[in-house]
Amino acid sequence: GAVVSQHPSWVICKSGTSVKIECRSLDFQATTMFWYRQFPKQSLMLMATSNEGSKATYEQGVEKDKFLINHASLTLSTLTVTSAHPEDSSFYICSATLGQGGETQYFGPGTRLLVL
Amino acid sequence: GNSVTQMEGPVTLSEEAFLTINCTYTATGYPSLFWYVQYPGEGLQLLLKATKADDKGSNKGFEATYRKETTSFHLEKGSVQVSDSAVYFCALSDLRSYGKLTFGQGTILTVHP
Repeated sequence: GAVVSQHPSWVICKSGTSVKIECRSLDFQATTMFWYRQFPKQSLMLMATSNEGSKATYEQGVEKDKFLINHASLTLSTLTVTSAHPEDSSFYICSATLGQGGETQYFGPGTRLLVL
Repeated sequence: GNSVTQMEGPVTLSEEAFLTINCTYTATGYPSLFWYVQYPGEGLQLLLKATKADDKGSNKGFEATYRKETTSFHLEKGSVQVSDSAVYFCALSDLRSYGKLTFGQGTILTVHP
């Protein structure tokens, strides 16, 4: 149980285009979803916290107009990288929790984005 | 604020060797502690967790004990396998951070046959 999927698993796009990444909880309803970014051989950096039906809370230094997050249902959150540039190339990982506060996070397999 | 410090890697071991990866933390509340594992090209998988002092988390031969007095959560395995080669992340969350995880920097483990 507690499976989280991401789609696509990898994407290559041209500079200036927008890319949407989906995160789905397959067998549970996720009250909260998190979006992370991971650079090669580094730890995960939390980008934002997403609660169903409300605006995402972004971490300091993360541009909310560039990384649009929508949490339309209890099983789906999307991250849209707008006007992508090569420096946005990274591994994006989402996670989901069953409840709020101190609950275990279940991670998706990640989406590798390469912007040319 | 909260922070997690892991021993620096990479760690290279022979198969069947004993593994310890040190993890210490700083938190103002009473955090839950986690070890996650990331295999090459994949997302993170929960390996084990402990939610209060003196709890021992265990899974797949790995163990870690929540030590409040030393603020530590060291990961151990008695006999590693080649398939254990991965990156291991220590992490904490507490109620005041609404489930946000604070990660250590990760430790790369390579096990040779």
